[in-house]
Amino acid sequence: TQLLEQSPQFLSIQEGENLTVYCNSSSVFSSLQWYRQEPGEGPVLLVTVVTGGEVKKLKRLTFQFGDARKDRSLHITAAQPGDTGLYLCAGAGSGGSNYKLTFGKGTLLTVNP
Amino acid sequence: DTGVSQDPRHKITKRGQNVTFRCDPISEHNRLYWYRQTLGQGPEFLTYFQNEAQLEKSRLLSDRFSAERPKGSFSTLEIQRTEQGDSAMYLCASSTHETGGAGSPLHFGNGTRLTVT
Repeated sequence: TQLLEQSPQFLSIQEGENLTVYCNSSSVFSSLQWYRQEPGEGPVLLVTVVTGGEVKKLKRLTFQFGDARKDRSLHITAAQPGDTGLYLCAGAGSGGSNYKLTFGKGTLLTVNP
Repeated sequence: DTGVSQDPRHKITKRGQNVTFRCDPISEHNRLYWYRQTLGQGPEFLTYFQNEAQLEKSRLLSDRFSAERPKGSFSTLEIQRTEQGDSAMYLCASSTHETGGAGSPLHFGNGTRLTVT
């Protein structure tokens, strides 16, 4: 069974601070996706990273995929209250099972004004 | 793109009753998924359709659960003889087929929250 461990589980910070959340696994996934979920809504895709060592930037968000394609992180610069939500990492299987995503438990981020 | 829609948004039922949820995916998406999410957890995979064919069903899905996608468009998820442990958010998602083995990004609906009393 492929598992994804996210840390920290909860994070409460003040507006303007920087933060990093981590998502690690003992297995290799064909790709890694990050989603953000607000209360009462479904997860919304933020980014997909495929290549080991890949770094993608999305405004104040920086996503990094480790060289071994097992560890990954999400860094947010100058957090804003609108960044509040549950951040989920998900890994896709390889080959014929690449449709199947395994999710971590998520990091619940609260950004206080 | 009207997004993935799910109905109902909330369902409260008594233990032992049957419930059915509906999902309408994005129209051009041939892949449809059901996930279940409980408080403090990420979504857990339940089942997957490619067009009308159900290609995988998780061991989490007991015999009381059945899902259909009869014409390769909308899907239904039925739970028979509900139990309190079935209380959760049931999420539907759809995607297109992605080549290259990178995995298809999922477009989720806003879920059906089931409460079994």
